[in-house]
Amino acid sequence: NAGVTQTPKFQVLKTGQSMTLQCAQDMNHEYMSWYRQDPGMGLRLIHYSVGAGITDQGEVPNGYNVSRSTTEDFPLRLLSAAPSQTSVYFCASSRSRAGTEAFFGQGTRLTVV
Amino acid sequence: EDQVTQSPEALRLQEGESSSLNCSYTVSGLRGLFWYRQDPGKGPEFLFTLYSAGEEKEKERLKATLTKKESFLHITAPKPEDSATYLCAVQAIGSSNTGKLIFGQGTTLQVKP
Repeated sequence: NAGVTQTPKFQVLKTGQSMTLQCAQDMNHEYMSWYRQDPGMGLRLIHYSVGAGITDQGEVPNGYNVSRSTTEDFPLRLLSAAPSQTSVYFCASSRSRAGTEAFFGQGTRLTVV
Repeated sequence: EDQVTQSPEALRLQEGESSSLNCSYTVSGLRGLFWYRQDPGKGPEFLFTLYSAGEEKEKERLKATLTKKESFLHITAPKPEDSATYLCAVQAIGSSNTGKLIFGQGTTLQVKP
C-alpha cells in the first residue's frame, strides 16, 4: 500500500519561478492537507481540502495555491517562488478532518535561491 | 492561543535506560492528541491518538498517556532503532472545521548502544 506519495523529493528553484508539488493518496481519504516544516517552528498548515472540489486556507497560505479535482490528488502550486518559501513540504491525508490521525508523505525539500 | 510545547528538545539515553518525553498543551477544547515519530529525511509516522484524560495507549516499548494539560511518551528499555524525533500534535475542538493540527517542535531522541 503506497499511502501518501509526494513528488519531487528535492527541488531547487530560482526566485520568481513557479512550480507544482504533487501529492497523491490511495486510501480514499476525504481530508488532505499541506504543511511546511521549518527549523524551530514545527509544522504549519498551508492549505487543506475536505473533499474533491473543496479547498480552503490554513495558517500560512500566502504564495501558495491548491486544487482538488479528484479524491486522490492534491497538488500545491508555488506562484512566484521566494527565498522565504525554502522549507520542507509535507502532504497529509486522513479519513476526516476531525479527530482522526493524519498520514504523511515523505516530503519535498525545496530550496529557493 | 492554542499552543504545544515539547520537552526536552533533545534526549540522549543509553540502550535500556527508560525515560519519558513531555508534551504540554494549551487548547480551548481538545479534540485529540497525536504522537508521531519522524526519522531524518522522512515524513512523520503516526504512533498514537489520545482523546481524553486518563487514556493510555501502548505499542512495543512506547506508552502514551494523557492528562488535561499534558501527555507523556514513556520509552521502556529503548534500543538504538528508537532514535528519532518524536512529535506531539493536538487538534482543538475549535479547529474541527479546518482539521488543523498544532505541532510541537519535537524531541530528538538518541539511544546509544
